Amino acid sequence: KNEVEQSPQNLTAQEGEFITINCSYSVGISALHWLQQHPGGGIVSLFMLSSGKKKHGRLIATINIQEKHSSLHITASHPRDSAVYICAAPHSGGGADGLTFGKGTHLIIQP
Amino acid sequence: KAGVTQTPRYLIKTRGQQVTLSCSPISGHRSVSWYQQTPGQGLQFLFEYFSETQRNKGNFPGRFSGRQFSNSRSEMNVSTLELGDSALYLCASSFGPGAQYNEQFFGPGTRLTVL
Repeated sequence: KNEVEQSPQNLTAQEGEFITINCSYSVGISALHWLQQHPGGGIVSLFMLSSGKKKHGRLIATINIQEKHSSLHITASHPRDSAVYICAAPHSGGGADGLTFGKGTHLIIQP
Repeated sequence: KAGVTQTPRYLIKTRGQQVTLSCSPISGHRSVSWYQQTPGQGLQFLFEYFSETQRNKGNFPGRFSGRQFSNSRSEMNVSTLELGDSALYLCASSFGPGAQYNEQFFGPGTRLTVL
């Protein structure tokens, strides 16, 4: 079973700051998912990446498959970015399985 | 294109009862996965269905079961409810099988409270 660790668990920052959330996993995978969950429960898929870097607006995700590590960055953070960010890896690391989730990073951006 | 829908959104049951939750995937998606979210354990994988077949199952007791219909809609059933089954139950759909290669699209969830 893949073990997924995230840090930090909680992060409070000021509007405009550069945010970094880290994720490490124990079993080699082909792709990792970054998800966003707002109060009320709805989950949105932000990225699915297997190598290098992906960018969407102010969000950037990077992954190093050899080091089993991924980061999610938010540039020019805004209060609307306040949410729980969760990384997730395939359940068993190989084949086609469900997801194992990190415990999430609770991000608060203060105006 | 309509997103993933789940019904009901909220449900209150008592211990010992059973419950059935429904998930309708995005049109054209053939994979449905179910997840349980609790404050203590976070998000946990329950099972995945693709083309009416259960492909994978997480570490949950046999009281948790599911099925998928020919139109890809899926149901999950929990029998003999326990207090610890109180949780947000999320389903996610994808075009192909498994999260290894397929982006997951989540529904809004069903919040189950067991009294």
